[in-house]
Amino acid sequence: RKEVEQDPGPFNVPEGATVAFNCTYSNSASQSFFWYRQDCRKEPKLLMSVYSSGNEDGRFTAQLNRASQYISLLIRDSKLSDSATYLCVVNHDNNNDMRFGAGTRLTVKP
Amino acid sequence: GAGVSQTPSNKVTEKGKYVELRCDPISGHTALYWYRQSLGQGPEFLIYFQGTGAADDSGLPNDRFFAVRPEGSVSTLKIQRTERGDSAVYLCASSSTGGDSGANVLTFGAGSRLTVL
Repeated sequence: RKEVEQDPGPFNVPEGATVAFNCTYSNSASQSFFWYRQDCRKEPKLLMSVYSSGNEDGRFTAQLNRASQYISLLIRDSKLSDSATYLCVVNHDNNNDMRFGAGTRLTVKP
Repeated sequence: GAGVSQTPSNKVTEKGKYVELRCDPISGHTALYWYRQSLGQGPEFLIYFQGTGAADDSGLPNDRFFAVRPEGSVSTLKIQRTERGDSAVYLCASSSTGGDSGANVLTFGAGSRLTVL
């Protein structure tokens, strides 16, 4: 079993739609969680950290469920510019060693 | 520097040759990571440095791969006897590991695209 698993998609949604991605992780000792965004042929960039109580940044909401060992990302009112691959990132064994999921590809269409 | 710098940006080599990829992290970042990414896949962990030492090298696929960070800043990923399957984008990232809010937040370089013919 992979340490971090994501549904690869692709998710194809119209502008204005709400879309949610889930990510599961296998290491119960993990304590740091992030969502990164990667545009085609570019490097990954931090989208947002995921905090225990859940957190929101504009149209983006991240949540953590420790009991079930998954994190989620919700995007409201999708924009064309949201089209990208979204990567789930979890630390390994509660240290600074960061592991990535395979990514979920989102395409927002007019 | 202001960001993470990787050189070369592109490298084409022949099967069996030796390759070095360089990463210059953000000044002051103690943690440095190497990942490998193939088309349509997420970044695959290779090795993680804390200062000069490799804190975790469990992701290195075999003994043809080796990485160093002798002074705790610049790192070099070395690949011996390259194979066609080594073709990928090699990504380097750095982060601070203090108690600040930036801990564990990775900043990536633009990557080194390796093509083995």
